[in-house]
Amino acid sequence: DVKVTQSSRYLVKRTGEKVFLECVQDMDHENMFWYRQDPGLGLRLIYFSYDVKMKEKGDIPEGYSVSREKKERFSLILESASTNQTSMYLCASSPSALGSLGTDTQYFGPGTRLTVL
Amino acid sequence: AQSVTQLGSHVSVSEGALVLLRCNYSSSVPPYLFWYVQYPNQGLQLLLKYTSAATLVKGINGFEAEFKKSETSFHLTKPSAHMSDAAEYFCAVSVPNFGNEKLTFGTGTRLTIIP
Repeated sequence: DVKVTQSSRYLVKRTGEKVFLECVQDMDHENMFWYRQDPGLGLRLIYFSYDVKMKEKGDIPEGYSVSREKKERFSLILESASTNQTSMYLCASSPSALGSLGTDTQYFGPGTRLTVL
Repeated sequence: AQSVTQLGSHVSVSEGALVLLRCNYSSSVPPYLFWYVQYPNQGLQLLLKYTSAATLVKGINGFEAEFKKSETSFHLTKPSAHMSDAAEYFCAVSVPNFGNEKLTFGTGTRLTIIP
């Protein structure tokens, strides 16, 4: 079974802190994604990566950055956390980059619920 | 750009009744369509997906969905609801984009099962 793990289920931080959310997948997947989930808004893509050291902006990248130094690990960074970044953060991975043409299944981690005070 | 609209943020059905969750899409090219389910305190998992083969797609746990191009719809159905179906359901769309594909999710429908 594909397993996507996220470093914390719950996290509480203060405004202005630098926050790291870690995601690890164990199935040698090429693609990795970070979403935030908010009630009434569904899932919105923050960043994604289709290869090590590669990253692409999603729909809402402002206030976030990412790092992918190893294939299995994709980190989301909040440089200076703000209260409007309080949300559920979901990481996902999918098997292939080029050639899948959008048909890949994405596999999700359990999520990190971040509260910024 | 592609998008999906899920009609009804909350749906309640009685145990044993038909489940119908609605999804309409917008896309300038033939889309790929997905339904994901999120059980309480868990991440999302794939229920089923349409990738331009058969228009009626069967998924896990007795769910199925039919792609109707003329109606731009991909509604999710299950003949008989079970208590374990209580969850949030997300419709999503992607289109081919030379390896740069991404999923666009709807806003979700929370399904409640009435005993």
